[in-house]
Amino acid sequence: ETGVTQTPRHLVMGMTNKKSLKCEQHLGHNAMYWYKQSAKKPLELMFVYNFKEQTENNSVPSRFSPECPNSSHLFLHLHTLQPEDSALYLCASRLSGTSDTGELFFGEGSRLTVL
Amino acid sequence: SQQGEEDPQALSIQEGENATMNCSYKTSINNLQWYRQNSGRGLVHLILIRSNEREKHSGRLRVTLDTSKKSSSLLITASRAADTASYFCATDNTGFQKLVFGTGTRLLVSP
Repeated sequence: ETGVTQTPRHLVMGMTNKKSLKCEQHLGHNAMYWYKQSAKKPLELMFVYNFKEQTENNSVPSRFSPECPNSSHLFLHLHTLQPEDSALYLCASRLSGTSDTGELFFGEGSRLTVL
Repeated sequence: SQQGEEDPQALSIQEGENATMNCSYKTSINNLQWYRQNSGRGLVHLILIRSNEREKHSGRLRVTLDTSKKSSSLLITASRAADTASYFCATDNTGFQKLVFGTGTRLLVSP
């Protein structure tokens, strides 16, 4: 148990569906991340939020829409996805500031399959 | 890109043997981290080494960093079946804002 909870753990959706991935951290961290992990590819950083403000958007297609209502919650809204978007989506958090160790704490991931 | 690349891509050893994984990267870094991932699960942080450090130990883990060669190695001594996982290096030169992960080494430790 890392203190970062992702739901759902598995999601199957059609290309015309709209769904959301949720991430919640109970660690008091103030930075949150979305990473995408596809087979045989490196982890791809998608979005970074610091103190609820988006500080990084790594050229992610607009069919992925992040939302960070507070420092503990992060969402990834999905719509009109493509089959190549099937992947493991990983959420991570970090305590930035004077106590920053640089360590990312990851959730277990949401396995997304787009049909 | 400062993306790290691990070598080998896959490694198979017997319990009790040592496992060495290497990471090469392309640009200057402030620090380098190693993470472990069990199949289909999230990543777990193992160790961080800063650019002004050459070697670091944590339990059965030993990490080295050679900034002149832009490479790092992770040594797991006296491996156990429970060490079976994928291992990733992650580099950073943005004050931890943007960790960039490598492709990973899949380690299989047989009893």
